[in-house]
Amino acid sequence: KQEVTQIPAALSVPEGENLVLNCSFTDSAIYNLQWFRQDPGKGLTSLLLIQSSQREQTSGRLNASLDKSSGRSTLYIAASQPGDSATYLCAAPNFGNEKLTFGTGTRLTIIP
Amino acid sequence: DAGVIQSPRHEVTEMGQEVTLRCKPISGHDYLFWYRQTMMRGLELLIYFNNNVPIDDSGMPEDRFSAKMPNASFSTLKIQPSEPRDSAVYFCASRKTGANEKLFFGSGTQLSVL
Repeated sequence: KQEVTQIPAALSVPEGENLVLNCSFTDSAIYNLQWFRQDPGKGLTSLLLIQSSQREQTSGRLNASLDKSSGRSTLYIAASQPGDSATYLCAAPNFGNEKLTFGTGTRLTIIP
Repeated sequence: DAGVIQSPRHEVTEMGQEVTLRCKPISGHDYLFWYRQTMMRGLELLIYFNNNVPIDDSGMPEDRFSAKMPNASFSTLKIQPSEPRDSAVYFCASRKTGANEKLFFGSGTQLSVL
C-alpha cells in the first residue's frame, strides 16, 4: 500500500524567496505524481502532474521533480509571493489501480 | 466547462438524520471519486466509479454510507443514519481515462452532524 509523507507540515518564508516542498512515497512503481494546491475552504487544484518517464515538469514559477528510485519528489517555487500562501499536497497512485494516496500537505505562508 | 459541481456547499444536520451529497462531474470524464477530508485523517478515498460502475468501495467506513452513479453526469453519496463523527468535508473529483490525466476536484461539501 502506498504511503505518502510531506515534511514539514508548515513553512513560513519571506516574500521573494525561493523555496522547496518535499514529498516522499513508499511504492516507487508509480506512473506519475501530482502536486495540488488547496486554499482554505476550497477544493484541491492540480498544479503539476509529472510522469514517471519525466524528471521535471514546469509551470510558470513552479517546478516539480521526480526521483522514483529514491521515492522522492520536490516542488520548487521561485520568487515566492503572498498569493502562493496555501496548503500544497502531493499524491501518488497505488500500483495497479486508480487510487491516489495523498500526503497530509505542507501549509505554506509567504510573509509580505 | 464549469468544473466539478457539488451541492450543497454546507450541510448541518442532527444525528440520526439522512444526508445526501450530490456531484456533477466534468463532462467527458470517465472516473468519479468521492473523498473525505478531516484534520485527523487527511484526505481519504471513499469510493470510485468508472463509467458509472462502482469499482472500489473499500474506503467506505460503514454500511451507513452508500454511493450511486445513475448516469455519467450525476452521483450521490448518502449517509443514513448520520453520526457526529461523520462531520468532515466531502469532495467529489473526476478525470478522464488515461494513465496521466489530472484529477479535478469540486469545492466540497462541509458536513456538520450535531
